Amino acid sequence: AQSVTQLDSQVPVFEEAPVELRCNYSSSVSVYLFWYVQYPNQGLQLLLKYLSGSTLVKGINGFEAEFNKSQTSFHLRKPSVHISDTAEYFCAVSGAAAGNKLTFGGGTRVLVKP
Amino acid sequence: DVKVTQSSRYLVKRTGEKVFLECVQDMDHENMFWYRQDPGLGLRLIYFSYDVKMKEKGDIPEGYSVSREKKERFSLILESASTNQTSMYLCASSLLGAPNTEAFFGQGTRLTVV
Repeated sequence: AQSVTQLDSQVPVFEEAPVELRCNYSSSVSVYLFWYVQYPNQGLQLLLKYLSGSTLVKGINGFEAEFNKSQTSFHLRKPSVHISDTAEYFCAVSGAAAGNKLTFGGGTRVLVKP
Repeated sequence: DVKVTQSSRYLVKRTGEKVFLECVQDMDHENMFWYRQDPGLGLRLIYFSYDVKMKEKGDIPEGYSVSREKKERFSLILESASTNQTSMYLCASSLLGAPNTEAFFGQGTRLTVV
């Protein structure tokens, strides 16, 4: 079985400061990892994904994430946030053993303050 | 522009009513999913379907059923709505046999059962 833990439920951050959202996963087989963002009153959209190859993945809106197999982590980072980054962020995992099913973490709510 | 469309953004239903949530996608995707989203719990999979008339239970199927009569449409049915089914419901679709591909989400239906 696969599972995802997002270690922070809320992260307040000032505008132009860096932010890191933590994600740990567990799976008995190789996995694919995703970060999705949900802006207020909207559905989810993909920020970035790790499939294989380079462990540093760059996504949209200046976000990046690093896959660390030994620590089973996939933390999301942005060096300088904007007010418009206020949203909820979800880490998710899928894998061949689970078909196409995505398993999500509990979400991290980011509030960017001016 | 790819689209997953959920028929209602907001619904209010009475306890005991039969409730239908409809989802349509225009991407010719084989997989379709229904999730519910609750604060702190992230997204939890209710049911998914990988083909017309095929369905599989997710992590929390109790109290729900689904119908997929056409490839583009996936319906979630609450047989007898209860207050603990008050939640945000999200529909998603993706390609078959490709756990490394992106899932596309609808805007969500916020259901309140009174």
